[in-house]
Amino acid sequence: DSGVTQTPKHLITATGQRVTLRCSPRSGDLSVYWYQQSLDQGLQFLIQYYNGEERAKGNILERFSAQQFPDLHSELNLSSLELGDSALYFCASSASGTRDRTQYFGPGTRLLVL
Amino acid sequence: GQQVMQIPQYQHVQEGEDFTTYCNSSTTLSNIQWYKQRPGGHPVFLIQLVKSGEVKKQKRLTFQFGEAKKNSSLHITATQTTDVGTYFCASYNQGGKLIFGQGTELSVKP
Repeated sequence: DSGVTQTPKHLITATGQRVTLRCSPRSGDLSVYWYQQSLDQGLQFLIQYYNGEERAKGNILERFSAQQFPDLHSELNLSSLELGDSALYFCASSASGTRDRTQYFGPGTRLLVL
Repeated sequence: GQQVMQIPQYQHVQEGEDFTTYCNSSTTLSNIQWYKQRPGGHPVFLIQLVKSGEVKKQKRLTFQFGEAKKNSSLHITATQTTDVGTYFCASYNQGGKLIFGQGTELSVKP
């Protein structure tokens, strides 16, 4: 158990819909990262938040957005969903500011868009 | 941008055989991390290497960072069925993003 929690575990929805994925980082971690894992693209970094502020942005679509709240939990919002958005979405957290920046991954949310 | 190439993509071994996965970059890496993802699971951090030529061991696993800090390897001695999974190397680029290799999927036949 990494200490990172994600909900829901599974999500089935239809094209055009909007969903919200939730992540709670490990206790004390200020950074939250979002990744998308699909069979053909591997693990792709989407976005990072540190203590409520956006810190780094990867290949995140404009239809996707995220935020980190004062209690440090984070939400990833996916809108106008397409079939190709079906993937595993992982959240990870780290104690940024330390040298190693090990990332601890949550169990993931499996999204299926029909 | 920084890319990390990992080979092979798949490796099938007989239990007891050794296994190695390689990670290469065209640019110098500040560090290299290795993660393991079991089937149906999430990536789990294994180790980080920072120094040129660094070698670290964890039981049957040996991790190396090249002298030029452009390549790394993970070697497993005498594989066991519990070693099954996908092994990823990853490295932070200058923008602070963790860039993952494509992973090597290891299957072990008992």
